[in-house]
Amino acid sequence: EAEVAQSPRYKITEKSQAVAFWCDPISGHATLYWYRQILGQGPELLVQFQDESVVDDSQLPKDRFSAERLKGVDSTLKIQPAELGDSAMYLCASSLSRQETQYFGPGTRLLVL
Amino acid sequence: AQSVTQPDIHITVSEGASLELRCNYSYGATPYLFWYVQSPGQGLQLLLKYFSGDTLVQGIKGFEAEFKRSQSSFNLRKPSVHWSDAAEYFCAVGAARGTYKYIFGTGTRLKVLA
Repeated sequence: EAEVAQSPRYKITEKSQAVAFWCDPISGHATLYWYRQILGQGPELLVQFQDESVVDDSQLPKDRFSAERLKGVDSTLKIQPAELGDSAMYLCASSLSRQETQYFGPGTRLLVL
Repeated sequence: AQSVTQPDIHITVSEGASLELRCNYSYGATPYLFWYVQSPGQGLQLLLKYFSGDTLVQGIKGFEAEFKRSQSSFNLRKPSVHWSDAAEYFCAVGAARGTYKYIFGTGTRLKVLA
């Protein structure tokens, strides 16, 4: 069964450093999502891509976060500089299209010291 | 904009007992509704979904959920809980147009007693 791949699974960094997360969606899935999940809460959408285009980044803190999906396949989410409050699980999901069900990867757990 | 409420933060049941997890949503039209399960340190796994049609939806691992429009609810049920069901459960409501954005509830953590 095809799965969404994410790396790394765990990342520890110091505040003010840069971090990057990678996501490879299920093959053929046009829509890709990045979510942030703070401990004890549900996931919150950061950015949504349709192919290589951003369709929703209204909740992305653009002063420090950036996301790209250059060829419309895999994607990278970057934080620079990291802050203590960025400690969370970062989840990637993909779907065949916007209307279809989202399938999630295993996530990247980030700890900022 | 849509919203979703999961009133129970924690639920504890004995193995073999029945389970019902509550989910209430707010949306101006018929929404897309989902239940996901998350084990500690893991991603979310889809249990079941409702898009349209039959309001009683069957999912994986013996779970089912019923869409009740009049109550704006989509409660998750299982007749007999297994110890391996201990996890966190998230209800999500998806917009049925536009970006089809999902909004997740805050989750219900299920503990199963042997």
